[in-house]
Amino acid sequence: DAGVIQSPRHEVTEMGQEVTLRCKPISGHDYLFWYRQTMMRGLELLIYFNNNVPIDDSGMPEDRFSAKMPNASFSTLKIQPSEPRDSAVYFCASRATRTSYEQYFGPGTRLTVT
Amino acid sequence: GNSVTQMEGPVTLSEEAFLTINCTYTATGYPSLFWYVQYPGEGLQLLLKATKADDKGSNKGFEATYRKETTSFHLEKGSVQVSDSAVYFCALSDGATNKLIFGTGTLLAVQP
Repeated sequence: DAGVIQSPRHEVTEMGQEVTLRCKPISGHDYLFWYRQTMMRGLELLIYFNNNVPIDDSGMPEDRFSAKMPNASFSTLKIQPSEPRDSAVYFCASRATRTSYEQYFGPGTRLTVT
Repeated sequence: GNSVTQMEGPVTLSEEAFLTINCTYTATGYPSLFWYVQYPGEGLQLLLKATKADDKGSNKGFEATYRKETTSFHLEKGSVQVSDSAVYFCALSDGATNKLIFGTGTLLAVQP
């Protein structure tokens, strides 16, 4: 069974450009989580969805960040415009309601904004 | 609110040494508890879990027991290998928010 799939694995962009990160959750999972990981701040939850609906976006740092989940098998995290301080590894994770809350993580997208 | 406290790293051990990484938690209700491992350049992987008091989770030689009386979930392994070098995260489930609350992570470095 395929795990959580993220693309791209690496992204290098210039300040001011739009960046779109993509995630495909595990089939049958109805929760999807977006995290950001940096050395300074550790692992931060940005937003999560249940049945494609955003439930809690209190971790989204500012209006430059937006996330969508148009269907059960696809989600995007967009940063527009990007800034150097957005450089981080972004993880997507998914979970099924019937389980005891364990989340399954994708390999991450390493974003570098120059 | 719910929280997880892990021992500060890095933890440096020689191969075949005994490992303990301490984890304590504060929570209302009866959370599930988890250990995740993150190898360099990879995402977090679920290592083991326990869903109720006195449960023991185990995987790949690692073990942790859900101790409600001491609110702890310490990770142990009897004989570490170089390949165990990674960052280990303790986490608990927050039933009210459906989130996982993570500790700050503990870096383990195993030397040959």
